[in-house]
Amino acid sequence: GDSVTQMEGPVTLSEEAFLTINCTYTATGYPSLFWYVQYPGEGLQLLLKATKADDKGSNKGFEATYRKETTSFHLEKGSVQVSDSAVYFCALNEAAGNKLTFGGGTRVLVKP
Amino acid sequence: NAGVTQTPKFRVLKTGQSMTLLCAQDMNHEYMYWYRQDPGMGLRLIHYSVGEGTTAKGEVPDGYNVSRLKKQNFLLGLESAAPSQTSVYFCASSTGVRNTEAFFGQGTRLTVV
Repeated sequence: GDSVTQMEGPVTLSEEAFLTINCTYTATGYPSLFWYVQYPGEGLQLLLKATKADDKGSNKGFEATYRKETTSFHLEKGSVQVSDSAVYFCALNEAAGNKLTFGGGTRVLVKP
Repeated sequence: NAGVTQTPKFRVLKTGQSMTLLCAQDMNHEYMYWYRQDPGMGLRLIHYSVGEGTTAKGEVPDGYNVSRLKKQNFLLGLESAAPSQTSVYFCASSTGVRNTEAFFGQGTRLTVV
């Protein structure tokens, strides 16, 4: 079946550092790809998405590009803030049942 | 502007007890989902529903049952709780249209002792 693999955390950074979280996927079809973010004590919320190859999703300074040739969807931000401390989940959307398959999550801690 | 609401937020059960988790959404979404979140394992789908009166199994359905009697509600039941069911449970809903986002509740932290 479809699967998502993302780098394990925690990732600890200083404010204004560059952040990258790797995500690769395995899928039989042509999935849509998502990044969700979970702030402490909250549910998941959509950060960005890309629906086809070479699409770039962006939001709140974060970016990710759908790379079909490398089956990847790496998340990047050029200058992180303390408020970016959260758990980030990469996910793909399976057409049948419109179900999301998640990676294991990456905890990011940004220190002032 | 409630979105997806889960009840309760916290619960401690003894092994063998039963309980029901309630999920309610006010966005008129067709699809609803129950996930469990365990450290290092991301979210795994337990059961889901593609419309009122329908349910289907996800990746980890054993030990759980669900019902979708009303479009806005999706109930998750544990008939005989086990320590392995200690987890954080998330409900989500979506329109069912491909590529659209799912909206998540704030989660229920369940501990089975």
